[in-house]
Amino acid sequence: KNEVEQSPQNLTAQEGEFITINCSYSVGISALHWLQQHPGGGIVSLFMLSSGKKKHGRLIATINIQEKHSSLHITASHPRDSAVYICAVRFQPGNQFYFGTGTSLTVIP
Amino acid sequence: DSGVTQTPKHLITATGQRVTLRCSPRSGDLSVYWYQQSLDQGLQFLIHYYNGEERAKGNILERFSAQQFPDLHSELNLSSLELGDSALYFCASSVGIGAITDTQYFGPGTRLTVL
Repeated sequence: KNEVEQSPQNLTAQEGEFITINCSYSVGISALHWLQQHPGGGIVSLFMLSSGKKKHGRLIATINIQEKHSSLHITASHPRDSAVYICAVRFQPGNQFYFGTGTSLTVIP
Repeated sequence: DSGVTQTPKHLITATGQRVTLRCSPRSGDLSVYWYQQSLDQGLQFLIHYYNGEERAKGNILERFSAQQFPDLHSELNLSSLELGDSALYFCASSVGIGAITDTQYFGPGTRLTVL
């Protein structure tokens, strides 16, 4: 049983396109994280959400608690956005993290 | 550079052996998290320490153990290694106890290969 589902698994876009990555989870959570993992392996935390919407530059993350769903949007995509994007949720009690399998994004110039 | 350091970067060892992975959190961060990333299982949460105390435990095998020392660095000990333990091991740190507002900063990872 996978508590966190991400889609799509792979995504190829032309530079400048608007991109959406989806994350669905199965139970109530205390927080949802979006992570970015570059080809070299390093992981960066992009957002942490418990409700609503957050924006950072060209990245926007939204969460709908009732529908147990979050989206990560990238506006005006750029080749440097090419990476694996991972959704992670944190459940209470226990404070455990569960991760999605990741979305591999390739942005072509 | 996240400010989190992990040593060693790469580790190659044989089945049955024991290894220790080390993590130094960012200055001022009290929480350390350990994660395992393998090709077949993806990212998995192992364990979380806050100021020397274990706060949460995930899918950590009994052959694995961790601790956080008074200077806040942490070590992950892996023993009786099996081929399936080959993975990238990340640690992350955050300033607080793991509250909603805590951002985690990830180290560069240790790549463990078990032959």
